[in-house]
Amino acid sequence: EAGVAQSPRYKIIEKRQSVAFWCNPISGHATLYWYQQILGQGPKLLIQFQNNGVVDDSQLPKDRFSAERLKGVDSTLKIQPAKLEDSAVYLCASSSRPGTSGSGEQFFGPGTRLTVL
Amino acid sequence: LAKTTQPISMDSYEGQEVNITCSHNNIATNDYITWYQQFPSQGPRFIIQGYKTKVTNEVASLFIPADRKSSTLSLPRVSLSDTAVYYCLVAVGGSSASKIIFGSGTRLSIRP
Repeated sequence: EAGVAQSPRYKIIEKRQSVAFWCNPISGHATLYWYQQILGQGPKLLIQFQNNGVVDDSQLPKDRFSAERLKGVDSTLKIQPAKLEDSAVYLCASSSRPGTSGSGEQFFGPGTRLTVL
Repeated sequence: LAKTTQPISMDSYEGQEVNITCSHNNIATNDYITWYQQFPSQGPRFIIQGYKTKVTNEVASLFIPADRKSSTLSLPRVSLSDTAVYYCLVAVGGSSASKIIFGSGTRLSIRP
């Protein structure tokens, strides 16, 4: 079974530029998560989708971050404009379990390491 | 925002049992407690999940007291390959507005 795919693996941009990350979840998984993991910290949930609807985006900085999951499969996360403090690894995960719940195994992709200069 | 608390780091030796505790005072009533393992440059990987009392699988055990305000991950007979960061994950808050929270992580170092 193929895992969660993410691209690119690495990205370096200058502040005020824009960047987009792509995630392809495990086939059949209805729930998709985007996390931000700053060096030395645990992952922080940015947004959770159930199919193509948003379940929780309370910690997404909506003035600069946006995410979509068209057709309930692939998802993109965009930052525009980027700030120095956005430097982090952006992790995508998927799960077959629904809801704002910690239950159910989340399968994580390898992440995209973003460096903002 | 409610949060979870874990020790920052732990050291142990091969063959020993390691116990890592996570406190989560505001865990959602109906939610599970999940533990993940993360190696450098990789995404977290599921270890074990439980709701109450004790759960055991082929790699770990999870102990959850009756009040569910903490949980302990137990790794029996650790090896060098268990060197990693371990996170607890819970949903906190009320059942209608719970939020997924990862702990800050415990960096486990295993020595020969």
